[in-house]
Amino acid sequence: ETGVTQTPRHLVMGMTNKKSLKCEQHLGHNAMYWYKQSAKKPLELMFVYSLEERVENNSVPSRFSPECPNSSHLFLHLHTLQPEDSALYLCASSQVWGPAGGQATNEKLFFGSGTQLSVL
Amino acid sequence: AQSVTQLDSQVPVFEEAPVELRCNYSSSVSVYLFWYVQYPNQGLQLLLKYLSGSTLVKGINGFEAEFNKSQTSFHLRKPSVHISDTAEYFCAVSVPYQAGTALIFGKGTTLSVSS
Repeated sequence: ETGVTQTPRHLVMGMTNKKSLKCEQHLGHNAMYWYKQSAKKPLELMFVYSLEERVENNSVPSRFSPECPNSSHLFLHLHTLQPEDSALYLCASSQVWGPAGGQATNEKLFFGSGTQLSVL
Repeated sequence: AQSVTQLDSQVPVFEEAPVELRCNYSSSVSVYLFWYVQYPNQGLQLLLKYLSGSTLVKGINGFEAEFNKSQTSFHLRKPSVHISDTAEYFCAVSVPYQAGTALIFGKGTTLSVSS
């Protein structure tokens, strides 16, 4: 148990559906991340919420929409997905501190077990 | 831009044999490097990290890695593997942004240990 909980564990949805993935961390961290893990590809950083700043990978399509209502919860809203969006979606959290500008911080990410998403 | 290349997608070895999983990185700034492990049906766990100091870093489960700046490498090694080491291994480099850093991962290397 890493302290990062993702629900649901598995999700099957049609291309016209709207669904949301949920992530909750009980570690008191102030940064949360969404990663996409596809077969034969590197883990793709999708979104970061850190110190109330949102950073996003510009290659992520707009059919993925993150929401971070507080430092403990992170959502990924899905709508009109494509079959190629089928993948394991991993949430992670970490504690970020130090001055801005890339100062080394505690880089230990704590990952959830992921949501295995299948788009039909 | 920072990036990570893991040179082997699959590494099969026999139990008690030594293993090396290769990782090369590219970065225009000072780098912080990591190895994570993912066991079946689980999320990723940190094995070890290099932030500064000694270039030989020791991690959990008997793994170690050596940071080589001239060769831009951060290879992971274990002198004697166990069946339980069978997993996916990811090399990662940190990417700085204004409010901190995030990690960019390589494609992963599947380590398969057999008896």
